[in-house]
Amino acid sequence: DGGITQSPKYLFRKEGQNVTLSCEQNLNHDAMYWYRQDPGQGLRLIYYSQIVNDFQKGDIAEGYSVSREKKESFPLTVTSAQKNPTAFYLCASFQAGYTFGSGTRLTVV
Amino acid sequence: AQSVAQPEDQVNVAEGNPLTVKCTYSVSGNPYLFWYVQYPNRGLQFLLKYITGDNLVKGSYGFEAEFNKSQTSFHLKKPSALVSDSALYFCALSNTGKLIFGQGTTLQVKP
Repeated sequence: DGGITQSPKYLFRKEGQNVTLSCEQNLNHDAMYWYRQDPGQGLRLIYYSQIVNDFQKGDIAEGYSVSREKKESFPLTVTSAQKNPTAFYLCASFQAGYTFGSGTRLTVV
Repeated sequence: AQSVAQPEDQVNVAEGNPLTVKCTYSVSGNPYLFWYVQYPNRGLQFLLKYITGDNLVKGSYGFEAEFNKSQTSFHLKKPSALVSDSALYFCALSNTGKLIFGQGTTLQVKP
């Protein structure tokens, strides 16, 4: 079945460490997105990529980095510069319609 | 600037009663509007979308939404709520290749 896979589902890291969240899709979609979800704030766009080797900052890109070396993969790195990284992170892809992964819950202690 | 507003943090309804979850938007140009549902610790599931055509859009699980251009609204409705409809609902807008979300409305359906 085609879809988006986010791994891991739960992730714990110590404060000050960088961490990379995986997002893989086998839908052959060109565009991919990363969103952050916090209670009461909906989903906010971190980064998006409309084509391989190209990506743009979203509304809350500070403290995050991405790469898009392959069409299937759009990993998100949460750096130590992100002041409040604990959140639920959702990856999505788009081609005619949006498909979402099941999310990664990151907890920084 | 484009934006989506969901004015209610939570909507409570009794099972079997009709439900409405409100959404208003602001955009220059023609909007593409969506509704998604999210269950705890899960991704978003697509319910329905409005691109063009009939203002009343029918979607999954008996949900429908009415596009009202003059009121810039896209309220989600269902004639008879189920307890299993209890979840977090998001309205979203796509206009320039990005999907912009409202803050979400928690729907609580009580037996």
